[in-house]
Amino acid sequence: DVKVTQSSRYLVKRTGEKVFLECVQDMDHENMFWYRQDPGLGLRLIYFSYDVKMKEKGDIPEGYSVSREKKERFSLILESASTNQTSMYLCASSLVRWDSPLHFGNGTRLTVT
Amino acid sequence: AQSVAQPEDQVNVAEGNPLTVKCTYSVSGNPYLFWYVQYPNRGLQFLLKYITGDNLVKGSYGFEAEFNKSQTSFHLKKPSALVSDSALYFCAVRDLTTSYDKVIFGPGTSLSVIP
Repeated sequence: DVKVTQSSRYLVKRTGEKVFLECVQDMDHENMFWYRQDPGLGLRLIYFSYDVKMKEKGDIPEGYSVSREKKERFSLILESASTNQTSMYLCASSLVRWDSPLHFGNGTRLTVT
Repeated sequence: AQSVAQPEDQVNVAEGNPLTVKCTYSVSGNPYLFWYVQYPNRGLQFLLKYITGDNLVKGSYGFEAEFNKSQTSFHLKKPSALVSDSALYFCAVRDLTTSYDKVIFGPGTSLSVIP
């Protein structure tokens, strides 16, 4: 079974802090994704990566950046956390195939105070 | 534009009764459709997919889904609901029009199975 591991289940940070959310997958998947999930808004794509050092902006990249230095690891960075970034963050991975489902981690619930 | 709709925010069903969670889609070309389930405080889990072939697709935990091209629907079904099926369900479609791999998710439907 594919395992996608997010380093933290819960995080509490202060406004203005730099925040790192880490994600690791163990199935050699090329694609990795960061979503945020908010009530009433569903899942929104922040960033996508299809290979090491490659990235594409999703629907809501503002205020975020990403890093993919190794194939198995995809990091989401909040350069200066703000209260409107309080959310559930979900990492996912998949093969580069249109019929390949996404495999999700358990999520990181981030609270910015 | 590619889109996915789940017309019901909430579905309630009695344990043992059949359940249906509705999904309609709008895509260019052939759709690659998926259903995911999310249990409380967890990530999404893949249930099943439709790519091509039989319109009735079987998946995990006894779920199945019926693809209807003329109605552009992909409804999730189960013949006999369990209390443990209570969760949030997401329909999704792969967007083949973008230069990168994009999956569009519906807003989710909360399923409550009542004992």
